[in-house]
Amino acid sequence: NAGVTQTPKFQVLKTGQSMTLQCAQDMNHNSMYWYRQDPGMGLRLIYYSASEGTTDKGEVPNGYNVSRLNKREFSLRLESAAPSQTSVYFCASSVRDRTEAFFGQGTRLTVV
Amino acid sequence: GESVGLHLPTLSVQEGDNSIINCAYSNSASDYFIWYKQESGKGPQFIIDIRSNMDKRQGQRVTVLLNKTVKHLSLQIAATQPGDSAVYFCAENGQERGKTSYDKVIFGPGTSLSVIP
Repeated sequence: NAGVTQTPKFQVLKTGQSMTLQCAQDMNHNSMYWYRQDPGMGLRLIYYSASEGTTDKGEVPNGYNVSRLNKREFSLRLESAAPSQTSVYFCASSVRDRTEAFFGQGTRLTVV
Repeated sequence: GESVGLHLPTLSVQEGDNSIINCAYSNSASDYFIWYKQESGKGPQFIIDIRSNMDKRQGQRVTVLLNKTVKHLSLQIAATQPGDSAVYFCAENGQERGKTSYDKVIFGPGTSLSVIP
């Protein structure tokens, strides 16, 4: 049972490049989330998917898009990377609202 | 605006002592609170949660206290061990009428706990 798996673990992009962060969970959870973590700012929600087939914006969605491919997978896409998107990105999942979230190991992204 | 904050950004405790990590929240509509532990280079890990209809909840070596009157949350770790060294986050889940609450999950900035052997 792997839990929440994110790929890649590290990535360096040039400004303007695009990339997709992959996330998969094997716990049959309904809800999935993408957060970014910056020093001194805690975790901020980018997008979430309450259930398969739905996605909604979180606190900081600008510059990102998401796809809930199926119940297991939730990807985050940066269409045109900017230095301000340098951060650690975490994917998480939960059974439903107001239950504990399980986090992946994170993707450390640097945009130069 | 709504916020979740921690009183102490860093905390150092002697091994074997009890640790107390505090958290203040401002959204009186919050009805679910969670503590997470994050070790260096890893994702946050669930420790314990509490709902607003409770004042106290105990887990293994951890206790969460909720004081809704002053909007304060604390995490107590008994007999702190070196493996407890990490950053601890509190998070609140507020309720908004007619909407899902996912976007109201607010994380505090974290408290770094260091255990002195």
